[in-house]
Amino acid sequence: SYVLTQPPSVSVAPGKTARITCGGNNIGSKSVHWYQQKPGQAPVLVIYYDSDRPSGIPERFSGSNSGNTATLTISRVEAGDEADYYCQVWDSSSDNVVFGGGTKLTVL
Amino acid sequence: EVQLVESGGGLVQPGRSLRLSCAASGFTFDDYAMHWVRQAPGKGLEWVSGISWNSGSIGYADSVKGRFTISRDNAKNSLYLQMNSLRAEDTALYYCAKPDSSSWDIPIFDYWGQGTLVTVSS
Repeated sequence: SYVLTQPPSVSVAPGKTARITCGGNNIGSKSVHWYQQKPGQAPVLVIYYDSDRPSGIPERFSGSNSGNTATLTISRVEAGDEADYYCQVWDSSSDNVVFGGGTKLTVL
Repeated sequence: EVQLVESGGGLVQPGRSLRLSCAASGFTFDDYAMHWVRQAPGKGLEWVSGISWNSGSIGYADSVKGRFTISRDNAKNSLYLQMNSLRAEDTALYYCAKPDSSSWDIPIFDYWGQGTLVTVSS
């Protein structure tokens, strides 16, 4: 089955740029979606189709996808961005939705 | 306003059954596929099952295949998950999630419920 690999944690100072990676075999050929989950809350979609932002999501959130790595980039990080972030794809070979293991973003 | 409200969770012994429900409102329910996603305590998200708008296409994670059954009642704007032969590893918060598509194989989850907790323990 398809596996998505994320770093367990990323730390960044306020105002700096955070980059969260999601690795998978030829992930560039798939559509990647990203979710933000704050403690005690349901996940929220922040990026879909690699780089599109839902309405209401700040422009500071962006995404890219190429080769074996997709990346969620958060510019001008704020304390309120501290959360767990999950990447997700549809794996057509197994007809499964696949989530990455999640990355905890800590704002220093 | 889209609302997804899960119910039916609780404490259940290993080997027993439980049926989860998800009541949907604020959108045209039978225009969209629906999914169940779970999260074990302190762990990440795990997809469980999905169903197309008309129940014509259904999928399951390998970890629940043969034990769980997803269904929907469009007349009642409701999604269900029948869980049989429950195991300790099924302990999790179960979310109902709405994708932005009628097809279950385009899973972009734009709305989530708050979840219902299932605890499998003797």
